[in-house]
Amino acid sequence: EIVLTQSPATLSLSPGERATLSCRASQSVSSYLAWYQQKPGQAPRLLIYDASNRATGIPARFSGSGSGTDFTLTISSLEPEDFAVYYCQQRSDWPPITFGQGTRLEIK
Amino acid sequence: QLQLQESGPGLVKPSETLSLTCSVSGGSISTSNYYWGWIRQPPGKGLEWIGSIFYSGNTYYNPSLKSRVTISVDTSKNRFSLKLSSVTAADTAVYYCARRRIGPPYYFDYWGQGTLVTVSS
Repeated sequence: EIVLTQSPATLSLSPGERATLSCRASQSVSSYLAWYQQKPGQAPRLLIYDASNRATGIPARFSGSGSGTDFTLTISSLEPEDFAVYYCQQRSDWPPITFGQGTRLEIK
Repeated sequence: QLQLQESGPGLVKPSETLSLTCSVSGGSISTSNYYWGWIRQPPGKGLEWIGSIFYSGNTYYNPSLKSRVTISVDTSKNRFSLKLSSVTAADTAVYYCARRRIGPPYYFDYWGQGTLVTVSS
């Protein structure tokens, strides 16, 4: 099973700042990694697929990069609605599909 | 617009079987383009994939739950179901159904709103 480790657990930033979230895989997942955003009481929303492709309707301030074992989600300039929990997920070697434990992005 | 809706009991007794159904509207479940899956989230914790099913009935389960999980599909009713046996308090979670595309974007692109299932006597 591929383990995904996200860091930091919590990130405290202000609107307008740049956010950088990390996801590290226990073995290579090539580019087969996605990022989701989850707000309280809501289902996750797909943001980025295959490491760097924005899903339909996702604003350009969200970008993803990386390959192999190290991946980054960047939010270039935080909007108030971006404060949420973010998860990475791999599809390289399944079953099982696995998720990271999440990074909480909170307002400073 | 595709919609997924989970339904089932919100309270299940320990050792019993949890049963949920996901009804799909706005699109057909009988297509070779998608897997249909279940994901759960214990209160305050992260996401755990339970398993997925193809419209033909092929199933894929999380090895950690495989001995207790059954996912089935009813194409005539455009829905799929989850059964989790011998539940304990550790199975208390919000259960989501979701669609995963075979092809871009390859991941879970449509989700139900989720349903909280509590395991308690």
